[in-house]
Amino acid sequence: GAGVSQTPSNKVTEKGKYVELRCDPISGHTALYWYRQSLGQGPEFLIYFQGTGAADDSGLPNDRFFAVRPEGSVSTLKIQRTERGDSAVYLCASSQEQGGTEAFFGQGTRLTVV
Amino acid sequence: QKEVEQNSGPLSVPEGAIASLNCTYSDRGSQSFFWYRQYSGKSPELIMSIYSNGDKEDGRFTAQLNKASQYVSLLIRDSQPSDSATYLCAVFSGGYNKLIFGAGTRLAVHP
Repeated sequence: GAGVSQTPSNKVTEKGKYVELRCDPISGHTALYWYRQSLGQGPEFLIYFQGTGAADDSGLPNDRFFAVRPEGSVSTLKIQRTERGDSAVYLCASSQEQGGTEAFFGQGTRLTVV
Repeated sequence: QKEVEQNSGPLSVPEGAIASLNCTYSDRGSQSFFWYRQYSGKSPELIMSIYSNGDKEDGRFTAQLNKASQYVSLLIRDSQPSDSATYLCAVFSGGYNKLIFGAGTRLAVHP
């Protein structure tokens, strides 16, 4: 696609439920990043994929968060047993090569846990 | 110490003036540096990248990098009200695996 695509744009879920957020990177981009952004803060790094593998998942806050990229393209961020503190905008970015090069963001998914 | 630090602002400049945004980083091994612009309610948009010491100019924007001082800056010449946004400094850390962002500086350009 022309740009990074994230779905859904908005997601409202009840506390304790499971959610999946999807990211479709720019075609041909091998590197993919997930971030979380709260109001007034910069994006917070969650996980970095190079191809199909998670090269760095040190930003995942706890074991309720998990991400996959089975075919090296689309990625899914999965959050189990959601908590109100998980409410934020979840951003995905991709870059053409391995880390170190320019990364481009999707429009984000606004997650609200009620 | 935060990995990437920025003054949160707001930085207020008159239309037509030069806006100067600053950023410091802690990982001395960092090699790639970026500035993103983020309008309220939108996602970050890449506006500049810089990899070598010195200045890099692109239109009204100039990025400056000083690796010895671990300092990156962004100058916006002839500031316009449409430049009003939050500017995010980003640095690759941890061996190129992690693109780390500062908290951003809010810029307000008033007519």
